[in-house]
Amino acid sequence: EVRLVESGGGFVQPGGSLRLSCAASGFSFSDHYMDWVRQAPGQGLEWVGRIRNKPNSYTTEYAASVKGRFTISRDDSQNSLYLQMNSLKTEDTAMYHCARVHDNVWGSDYIDYWGQGTLVTVSS
Amino acid sequence: IQLTQSPSSLSASVGDRVTITCRASQGISSYLAWYQQKPGKAPKLLIYAASTLQSGVPSRFSGSGSGTDFTLTISSLQPEDFATYYCQQLNSYPRTFGQGTRLEIK
Repeated sequence: EVRLVESGGGFVQPGGSLRLSCAASGFSFSDHYMDWVRQAPGQGLEWVGRIRNKPNSYTTEYAASVKGRFTISRDDSQNSLYLQMNSLKTEDTAMYHCARVHDNVWGSDYIDYWGQGTLVTVSS
Repeated sequence: IQLTQSPSSLSASVGDRVTITCRASQGISSYLAWYQQKPGKAPKLLIYAASTLQSGVPSRFSGSGSGTDFTLTISSLQPEDFATYYCQQLNSYPRTFGQGTRLEIK
């Protein structure tokens, strides 16, 4: 059974930093691209970013709203995904979901499994 | 690429046929997925490649379209289908979502 369990959320002041983690199990983590998706309270889904796998040099993509502030990384030996969030803003307040990308083929890289999320609140 | 869903919300009854539209700001071939999200839950994949039903998803769900215009149809609404639905494009980065369509019980 595929499981994705996020942790590390909490309350932080504007300008602060936070690191989210996602523990993956039930599949070959190292084979898959992984995404972060967030959802502000009462709002829709926003794609945050992606990290590719080792054969694709662990390259990353980011939404414009977080580029330069957020960094996605992974540790395949620990089956773990991370999201380092710096210079946090109030508009970063959201539930953050870790998500598995189905396939590395362009156009087939939809999300087939989601974690339940971890809540980040940015407020003074 | 911007995705615009319509309607933003919809009231319908059990047994109704419902269609939700997703329009892309530029052509995305068939690189579109649909997700269902219930309150307090993570989204669930329904359809990928615009029209391919994910394993385990009931056949009353169907998707169609290519280029810029796509539809998600539920042929006969069941009580468990009342949720919010999102489309996502897989043609270019960033992988944007539509704003969502909230399907409510009439």
